[in-house]
Amino acid sequence: GQNIDQPTEMTATEGAIVQINCTYQTSGFNGLFWYQQHAGEAPTFLSYNVLDGLEEKGRFSSFLSRSKGYSYLLLKELQMKDSASYLCAVRDSNYQLIWGAGTKLIIKP
Amino acid sequence: IAGITQAPTSQILAAGRRMTLRCTQDMRHNAMYWYRQDLGLGLRLIHYSNTAGTTGKGEVPDGYSVSRANTDDFPLTLASAVPSQTSVYFCASSPRAGEGTGELFFGEGSRLTVL
Repeated sequence: GQNIDQPTEMTATEGAIVQINCTYQTSGFNGLFWYQQHAGEAPTFLSYNVLDGLEEKGRFSSFLSRSKGYSYLLLKELQMKDSASYLCAVRDSNYQLIWGAGTKLIIKP
Repeated sequence: IAGITQAPTSQILAAGRRMTLRCTQDMRHNAMYWYRQDLGLGLRLIHYSNTAGTTGKGEVPDGYSVSRANTDDFPLTLASAVPSQTSVYFCASSPRAGEGTGELFFGEGSRLTVL
């Protein structure tokens, strides 16, 4: 079966750095996505990785290792507004997105 | 800038009733999707449409139907609602199915409670 695993909840301090991990087992691989979802709101696109390595976008970076079935989202200089759920999703061989359950990130002052 | 509009935002209905969730996008995206989101579970695809006039079944299609008469509209119908269909429903679109970054644009969601 297809499976995406990520921690249920993480806590970090304002101004710090946090890494949210995602491991996957899917039927084929056509890219990995990270979305941010604030409570009660719609998910919004953060990043896309299809090749191994690090993609940096401002305070957010996403890393992919296809051989390990592993990705992480790195958030730097954490702000209170970063409190949200972070969803990992993999596009499989049928070009359908398989979603993880999300990681709820709590930022403390 | 509207993007994707869903209606209603929230609805409570009795089991056995018929319900249609509306979804309209003004971005001229070819692909549209309906997901449900339940606590502790990832987004699950109900139905999708790669282009106007075509639809396909996702991971959890039972009890739901869709139509795609034109590019902009993609309604989701529950023919006879059951309590297990209590969920938050998200409509989403992308320029083309399976191409490029595949970024999805989501509506604000419809919270449905079936009693």
